[in-house]
Amino acid sequence: GAGVSQSPRYKVAKRGQDVALRCDPISGHVSLFWYQQALGQGPEFLTYFQNEAQLDKSGLPSDRFFAERPEGSVSTLKIQRTQQEDSAVYLCASRFSGAREYEQYFGPGTRLTVT
Amino acid sequence: AQKITQTQPGMFVQEKEAVTLDCTYDTSDQSYGLFWYKQPSSGEMIFLIYQGSYDEQNATEGRYSLNFQKARKSANLVISASQLGDSAMYFCAMREGGNQFYFGTGTSLTVIP
Repeated sequence: GAGVSQSPRYKVAKRGQDVALRCDPISGHVSLFWYQQALGQGPEFLTYFQNEAQLDKSGLPSDRFFAERPEGSVSTLKIQRTQQEDSAVYLCASRFSGAREYEQYFGPGTRLTVT
Repeated sequence: AQKITQTQPGMFVQEKEAVTLDCTYDTSDQSYGLFWYKQPSSGEMIFLIYQGSYDEQNATEGRYSLNFQKARKSANLVISASQLGDSAMYFCAMREGGNQFYFGTGTSLTVIP
């Protein structure tokens, strides 16, 4: 079956532009996570959804970052007025309700480059 | 303080040999989970193995085993009989009470033919 998909896979933005990154989780997966992975680093937690509810957004680095999941399936991570330090790979992961905690499936990521 | 520490930026191993990737963690929680992920150059994070803090036996999954030493707060990954396809970045991660996962900085493993 289809895994977690993310689009676009690559995005180049000029500093100051707004970007929107999309995550399509595995069908039926209730939990959805966003992570930011800077070059040479491990992923860092950004935010977590359970269905359409954003239960934890403590990892969002600034108010320029906004995530939504209005119908409890597809999620969009929006970054306003992008800065060079936003350049990173943005990973999305999803998990089925009641699944063991390690049953978290990651997408391929979106590589954002801010010039 | 770092939640997860991986002190080996890069490791080399001969094909068919075993290799140990180090990971130490920091938590005051009694209940937590430890994970290892593989990230090939394609970018996807691939789950390898999991150890719960209350699990008494070390986790094993095929050629992967986790050497869990709770008192030392270490969770080293052992890969036996290395294969060329094992060349990748390896990340240790921990989940505490909530839903946040904390990842280390990773170890780049290169398998030499």
